Amino acid sequence: EAQVTQNPRYLITVTGKKLTVTCSQNMNHEYMSWYRQDPGLGLRQIYYSMNVEVTDKGDVPEGYKVSRKEKRNFPLILESPSPNQTSLYFCASRPIESGGELFFGEGSRLTVL
Amino acid sequence: AQKVTQAQTEISVVEKEDVTLDCVYETRDTTYYLFWYKQPPSGELVFLIRRNSFDEQNEISGRYSWNFQKSTSSFNFTITASQVVDSAVYFCALSEPSGGYNKLIFGAGTRLAVHP
Repeated sequence: EAQVTQNPRYLITVTGKKLTVTCSQNMNHEYMSWYRQDPGLGLRQIYYSMNVEVTDKGDVPEGYKVSRKEKRNFPLILESPSPNQTSLYFCASRPIESGGELFFGEGSRLTVL
Repeated sequence: AQKVTQAQTEISVVEKEDVTLDCVYETRDTTYYLFWYKQPPSGELVFLIRRNSFDEQNEISGRYSWNFQKSTSSFNFTITASQVVDSAVYFCALSEPSGGYNKLIFGAGTRLAVHP
């Protein structure tokens, strides 16, 4: 089954404790991206990657890091989480062709205390 | 300024009513894509439709229909004879070449509650 898998799905952590949200897709997509969803703001892009070793900032990259060492994986790293990073996070992928539908993971709900 | 505006924050209807969700967008590009996604209470994002800016034909899929009006920069979504299972948050989104098509710009979403 074609899918984007995120882990963990739910996480409660404390300020400053580094964490990684993993994302893996099995559709051989070149493009991958991370979004965060906050009430009243919709979804906003954090980072995206056009292919292996090619990443770029989205609209809200502060406090996040990403890496793309393999085509299928695109982890999101919070080096020192803060309460304002409490949010619902989505990973997404699509083929490299422009304008294509994004396939989203099921979401990871993160709470930073 | 918001590029994608969904002015209706919440809509409440009774089952079998028709409901229209509004979406107004802003772009300087002549070519772009518009999308609708559904987020049911379980939280995942479900793709509903993609529309190319050159294709102004309205589309119907079962009880769902979409009205794309380039002249008014609107891409409205209508659910006919709504059902309880339609209860969800609906997002309209824009992808444009001036952003390299590298992201979807989402509206804030409209929460639809369909009551029995």
